[in-house]
Amino acid sequence: EVQLVESGGGLVQPGGSLRLSCAASGFTFSMYAMNWVRQAPGKGLVWVSRIKSDGNSIGYADSVKGRFTVSRDNAKNTLYLQMNSLRVDDTAVYYCTRDYEGLAYWGQGTPVTVSS
Amino acid sequence: QSALTQPRSVSGSPGQSVTISCTGSSSDVGGYNYVSWYQQHPGKAPKLMIYDVSGRPSAVPDRFSGSKSGNTASLTISGLQAEDEADYYCCSYAGSNTFVFGGGTKLTVL
Repeated sequence: EVQLVESGGGLVQPGGSLRLSCAASGFTFSMYAMNWVRQAPGKGLVWVSRIKSDGNSIGYADSVKGRFTVSRDNAKNTLYLQMNSLRVDDTAVYYCTRDYEGLAYWGQGTPVTVSS
Repeated sequence: QSALTQPRSVSGSPGQSVTISCTGSSSDVGGYNYVSWYQQHPGKAPKLMIYDVSGRPSAVPDRFSGSKSGNTASLTISGLQAEDEADYYCCSYAGSNTFVFGGGTKLTVL
């Protein structure tokens, strides 16, 4: 059974940093591209970042470019999102998703709150 | 990276059909056959309903179908059921390892 479990969310002050993790199991993690998607309270889904299977091809939404860094450790079956210079409008639930024939598998999300 | 345009809300009675549109540009919807649709119930993670414009995961009922014409993709739900009431989001590949979502559509089953 495919499982994606996010962790690392929490409360952080504006300008602060957080690192999110997504532990994957039930499939060969190293074969799939992965994405981060976020959803602010009461708002819609917003794509954040994508990393291909080998970690060498990466994309970011304009709103996070230069502040967020996606990475993966295929040996540990784990996806990461390093978030720096956090802003109030980064407040959201962050989901990791597996990318193949759509975003077919999603974690339950980890909440990030940026507030003073 | 502008969000794709979806109607804010649609509604239909049980048994009827509804169609949700998703309009982008030649840089996303019109440029790639990588449009997907997601259903989200309150407090739940999104669920994939359609991939690659018209592909349907095996667990999704065939009442759900997708199509595309030019820069506009569509999700059609036939034989509406109460459990179809949810938010629906389209998503398109936009080149250079990027994706873009639509703003979401709230489906109400009357």
